Amino acid sequence: GQQLNQSPQSMFIQEGEDVSMNCTSSSIFNTWLWYKQEPGEGPVLLIALYKAGELTSNGRLTAQFGITRKDSFLNISASIPSDVGIYFCAGLGGATNKLIFGTGTLLAVQP
Amino acid sequence: EAQVTQNPRYLITVTGKKLTVTCSQNMNHEYMSWYRQDPGLGLRQIYYSMNVEVTDKGDVPEGYKVSRKEKRNFPLILESPSPNQTSLYFCASSWGSMADTQYFGPGTRLTVL
Repeated sequence: GQQLNQSPQSMFIQEGEDVSMNCTSSSIFNTWLWYKQEPGEGPVLLIALYKAGELTSNGRLTAQFGITRKDSFLNISASIPSDVGIYFCAGLGGATNKLIFGTGTLLAVQP
Repeated sequence: EAQVTQNPRYLITVTGKKLTVTCSQNMNHEYMSWYRQDPGLGLRQIYYSMNVEVTDKGDVPEGYKVSRKEKRNFPLILESPSPNQTSLYFCASSWGSMADTQYFGPGTRLTVL
């Protein structure tokens, strides 16, 4: 099946640092979603993007819907230990009109 | 409390023995979906349902069945499980579509020997 290329695969940072991750695809998507999954739990939606070029914030999180509609970015500013988890992007639309998830970015924050 | 529940949470079974994983939501959501999560592959959608009696294949439907006879329940059925179906399974629901905020269940870890 289809997959999104998400990078980096993992990040190990110090508390207070900013974080950037992105997803790219060969297909165009109509919606981009960003989720966070904490150990032992299901994913939780962080940000939804519905229009090319859209920039949306949720607290210290900012995400953008790429102009080409083939990519999206998530930034976390001033990271804190509770930001630890796996972050997934997901694209809706594309060639199959299905919801496709990225492979995830594991974030570890050292106090 | 608004939630999505799944049962069982853990299951070890053998190849070929039919099993059902139940999923129930108490939020009156129309949309429900099943995903499997495997290391390095992220989440992949198995089946989804837009409403009662309306189901459709996701990205990896082979080897799975679903039914949506009631709005609140969306069981996942493995008629003849195989070892490659060993995975972590999540059920999710949302108001109208997969683009809306999906609420995920706690997950079911399935091992097929």
